[in-house]
Amino acid sequence: QKEVEQDPGPLSVPEGAIVSLNCTYSNSAFQYFMWYRQYSRKGPELLMYTYSSGNKEDGRFTAQVDKSSKYISLFIRDSQPSDSATYLCAMKANTGNQFYFGTGTSLTVIP
Amino acid sequence: DAEITQSPRHKITETGRQVTLACHQTWNHNNMFWYRQDLGHGLRLIHYSYGVQDTNKGEVSDGYSVSRSNTEDLPLTLESAASSQTSVYFCASSGRGLEQETQYFGPGTRLLVL
Repeated sequence: QKEVEQDPGPLSVPEGAIVSLNCTYSNSAFQYFMWYRQYSRKGPELLMYTYSSGNKEDGRFTAQVDKSSKYISLFIRDSQPSDSATYLCAMKANTGNQFYFGTGTSLTVIP
Repeated sequence: DAEITQSPRHKITETGRQVTLACHQTWNHNNMFWYRQDLGHGLRLIHYSYGVQDTNKGEVSDGYSVSRSNTEDLPLTLESAASSQTSVYFCASSGRGLEQETQYFGPGTRLLVL
């Protein structure tokens, strides 16, 4: 079993829709949770960062962490065509410096 | 602004040749990482370094090597390129304290081994 599981999609939604992206994980030691956005032929860029459980909001983006269920989510409100990208979740434990990535979910927002 | 740069951005080589991909960061980060990204596999860790003279193998290190002689650079060498090493390679770095808990990525190098 992989440390981090992520549905690869692809996911296609109309402009203005609410998008929900999810990852599950198996390692209860993970404390740091990140979402990266990767445009085609570009490097991943950090989108959201959360420590431990709870929610974090930044504009149209909300990251949720449920450690009891080992489940994290990224919500995108009022989705825009410019949100079309691959979204990768990533996680890290308190100890060590290694990061564990999901395989990414491809999102297309149709105008 | 601090950044990570990779060179070359595109490379075509032949099987059996030695290839070196450069990574340079101006974040002054201790930790540097090399990943390869392939369809269906996501990002896979090749090698990583936690400081000068420190190097460690990741999950797909066979056929690759790195060396860390200063803080800014972590070159990745393919000793004898194979077609299975055709991929997109990303370098990343992370720092100390709060910065240690996030990684910053370079733009990637697309490598084709013929």
